[in-house]
Amino acid sequence: EAAVTQSPRNKVAVTGGKVTLSCNQTNNHNNMYWYRQDTGHGLRLIHYSYGAGSTEKGDIPDGYKASRPSQENFSLILELATPSQTSVYFCASGDWTGKDTQYFGPGTRLLVL
Amino acid sequence: GDSVTQTEGQVALSEEDFLTIHCNYSASGYPTLFWYVQYPGEGPQLLFRASRDKEKGSSRGFEATYDKGTTSFHLRKASVQESDSAVYYCALSDLSSSFSKLVFGQGTSLSVVP
Repeated sequence: EAAVTQSPRNKVAVTGGKVTLSCNQTNNHNNMYWYRQDTGHGLRLIHYSYGAGSTEKGDIPDGYKASRPSQENFSLILELATPSQTSVYFCASGDWTGKDTQYFGPGTRLLVL
Repeated sequence: GDSVTQTEGQVALSEEDFLTIHCNYSASGYPTLFWYVQYPGEGPQLLFRASRDKEKGSSRGFEATYDKGTTSFHLRKASVQESDSAVYYCALSDLSSSFSKLVFGQGTSLSVVP
């Protein structure tokens, strides 16, 4: 069974619109992460969380918000989407007991027109 | 801050060729080093990791040795197969953070033709 799932898998949005990307994990991990993947940049950390109710800024948080309402769920929110946010977004979960190993979802491909 | 550099952006090989993907890092202390592999349409998945100097990580015929002296963790495989075509990421754990974070390299796209 897939332990980290993401929805939607593909999304087309308009500039200025609101986009919410959802992530669910069944690993019972405390930590969850949102990354974006772009050619030449690898994986860059947007936001992360160390438990329900917490969100922290990663390396490139501008233009993004995050929400962690429960242990299992972590959302990434684009309040005013821009074409520069066209990318592939990955959610991951992890725990210090796993020696920092992170487990990734299948990704969401977002196109902002 | 900590960083990871992968020299090759793209690598094209034939089956049974020898593979080397170079990974160098900059970090304080002893970060754990990782190799992740990403197949088309999937998220990255852990290939293996190493936590100490001279420790060798290995999986599925791939291997890399933690070298603190040269700050390297190069990925090697003696004989690649078409099914190894994927993107490979080198990463390290960010010890400067009080939170468990990974720093990834730019990724190397491997294409293996029959």
